[in-house]
Amino acid sequence: KAGVTQTPRYLIKTRGQQVTLSCSPISGHRSVSWYQQTPGQGLQFLFEYFSETQRNKGNFPGRFSGRQFSNSRSEMNVSTLELGDSALYLCASSLDTRRTGELFFGEGSRLTVL
Amino acid sequence: AQKITQTQPGMFVQEKEAVTLDCTYDTSDPSYGLFWYKQPSSGEMIFLIYQGSYDQQNATEGRYSLNFQKARKSANLVISASQLGDSAMYFCAMREAYNQGGKLIFGQGTELSVKP
Repeated sequence: KAGVTQTPRYLIKTRGQQVTLSCSPISGHRSVSWYQQTPGQGLQFLFEYFSETQRNKGNFPGRFSGRQFSNSRSEMNVSTLELGDSALYLCASSLDTRRTGELFFGEGSRLTVL
Repeated sequence: AQKITQTQPGMFVQEKEAVTLDCTYDTSDPSYGLFWYKQPSSGEMIFLIYQGSYDQQNATEGRYSLNFQKARKSANLVISASQLGDSAMYFCAMREAYNQGGKLIFGQGTELSVKP
């Protein structure tokens, strides 16, 4: 069974640009969550999508957005990149996390903003 | 206030010995779940073990067990018979209320190094 796949794995952007990251969840999983990991702030929740609807949202500015498609694949977009957006962006999928379901994470997309 | 506190930034353990990684949490919600994840240098977060707030027994998964002390709000991870491959970052996380879905609150992590 294929795991959570994130693309691209590494990317370099400059300030002011935008970036789109992709996440393909485990087959059958309908929930996709996104996290930002930085050395200073640790792991922080960005948002969760379930059946194409945003179900939860963390405390990030509106420059961070996401969406989910009918096949459960998800994308997140960061516009007007800032140096502080340099981070590992992790995607996690689950059948449904409203009960005890654990999240299965991908290997992440490492974004460097210059 | 920190919701999840991991007080050990780094730990060393000898191969084949047991090690306990500390985690305390803070929530006023009676329904919550506690998780432990392992993050090797590759970056992927690997699920290890889960404990629900209403679970009567401590969770166990192979060499991993969770020492859940609800009154003290602690959920320590115990790894028995450490292996070299256990060297990684370990994160404690909490889901407050089952309707929080995929929103986990993570601690700052503990870096475990297993010595041969």
